[in-house]
Amino acid sequence: SQKIEQNSEALNIQEGKTATLTCNYTNYSPAYLQWYRQDPGRGPVFLLLIRENEKEKRKERLKVTFDTTLKQSLFHITASQPADSATYLCALVSGGYQKVTFGTGTKLQVIP
Amino acid sequence: DTGVSQNPRHKITKRGQNVTFRCDPISEHNRLYWYRQTLGQGPEFLTYFQNEAQLEKSRLLSDRFSAERPKGSFSTLEIQRTEQGDSAMYLCASSLRTSGEETQYFGPGTRLLVL
Repeated sequence: SQKIEQNSEALNIQEGKTATLTCNYTNYSPAYLQWYRQDPGRGPVFLLLIRENEKEKRKERLKVTFDTTLKQSLFHITASQPADSATYLCALVSGGYQKVTFGTGTKLQVIP
Repeated sequence: DTGVSQNPRHKITKRGQNVTFRCDPISEHNRLYWYRQTLGQGPEFLTYFQNEAQLEKSRLLSDRFSAERPKGSFSTLEIQRTEQGDSAMYLCASSLRTSGEETQYFGPGTRLLVL
């Protein structure tokens, strides 16, 4: 069955360091992959999209990589700040109507 | 604010009661999605509309759940005879269908507690 795995445990990181979050998937051939940020009690907010034929995408302090051979995406936040503390969701998109399937999310805590 | 809005933000109900949630998408968006999210999990797809047509329903959506988008604008999600297991955050998202990728914009959600 299709599965999307993200680190279930929270990731604690010191301010200024680079945070790296992992998204692994099995039995899936996504057209593209998205990363969202979710704060407590709020809906997810779109951050970045990377297509299956792209290796890397950057946006300001964010970087996403996508390895379709390893079936893995890495999400990096450089020079992390306490305001980056949130849950980050990986989402795979495929199918005619572009069905979105979310991972369980990884909670990031940036410590001042 | 031109984002996706959802009402109510919170709903507490007793088991067996019916509840209805409303979603107002971004005005030019033709696609509307409903998701359910429980604590510690990612959003789970429930159903989606393109304009007023409901094109897909998840197996998670039992007969007690019904969704409508009568004029291709706002949508309602009704849960009949609520059960405690229905307690969750119900999220609505909208997007604009184009030939390329689409990005879903989420509302703040309606948190349902069934006592």
